[in-house]
Amino acid sequence: GEDVEQSLFLSVREGDSSVINCTYTDSSSTYLYWYKQEPGAGLQLLTYIFSNMDMKQDQRLTVLLNKKDKHLSLRIADTQTGDSAIYFCAESNAGNNRKLIWGLGTSLAVNP
Amino acid sequence: DVKVTQSSRYLVKRTGEKVFLECVQDMDHENMFWYRQDPGLGLRLIYFSYDVKMKEKGDIPEGYSVSREKKERFSLILESASTNQTSMYLCASSSVNEQFFGPGTRLTVL
Repeated sequence: GEDVEQSLFLSVREGDSSVINCTYTDSSSTYLYWYKQEPGAGLQLLTYIFSNMDMKQDQRLTVLLNKKDKHLSLRIADTQTGDSAIYFCAESNAGNNRKLIWGLGTSLAVNP
Repeated sequence: DVKVTQSSRYLVKRTGEKVFLECVQDMDHENMFWYRQDPGLGLRLIYFSYDVKMKEKGDIPEGYSVSREKKERFSLILESASTNQTSMYLCASSSVNEQFFGPGTRLTVL
C-alpha cells in the first residue's frame, strides 16, 4: 500500500535553516501536506502543494516537490525556538481529501 | 474562525468501561475522522465518515465504533475499554484541501 516516510528527529540552532524531508510511494498523489503539532495540541496545517507544482513559498516556509523522485521537503528559514514541534508529512490522492496517508512525524528541536 | 472541539482534554477510565469521545465541528464539513496517536506510530486512522449516518473503517477499527447522527458531530465509542486503548485521540474534519484538527483527548485506561 501507499507509504510516507520521514526522519524522526532533527536538531538545529536558532537562526539556522531547517530542512525536513519526506518520501512517498503513491505515484497518483494529488496533494502533499505539511502539518505542525506543538506539544499537547492537535495538528495544524502549515502548507500544502498540489502535485503539478514543484515549489511553494509562504513567508519563512518553502516547500519543494520532486515528483520524479517522490520527494517532498519543508525548509524553515531563520528557525526560532517557537518552531520546535513535530512536523508531519501527508499525501492524498483523493481530491476531496477523504483520507490522508501520514508519515510518522519529524521532531524538530531548536537550540538557542 | 474554523473550529473542531473535543469533549474532554483528559479522561481516565477503568478497564471494561464504555467510553464516549465526542467531536463537534462548526464548518459544515461532510468528512470527519477519528485518529489515535501513539509515540513512534504516528497517526493511525480508526474510522471516518463522509456523511450523516455513513461510516467507513480506517486502519485500526477493532475495539471501536462510531456514530454520526448529525453532520456536525462524530462520536467515537469504546464499548469495553482496555489498557491498550490508552492513547491520544484526535478528531478532524475536512474541506476539499485541508483537515482541521481538534485539540485531542488524552485517554488513560487503568
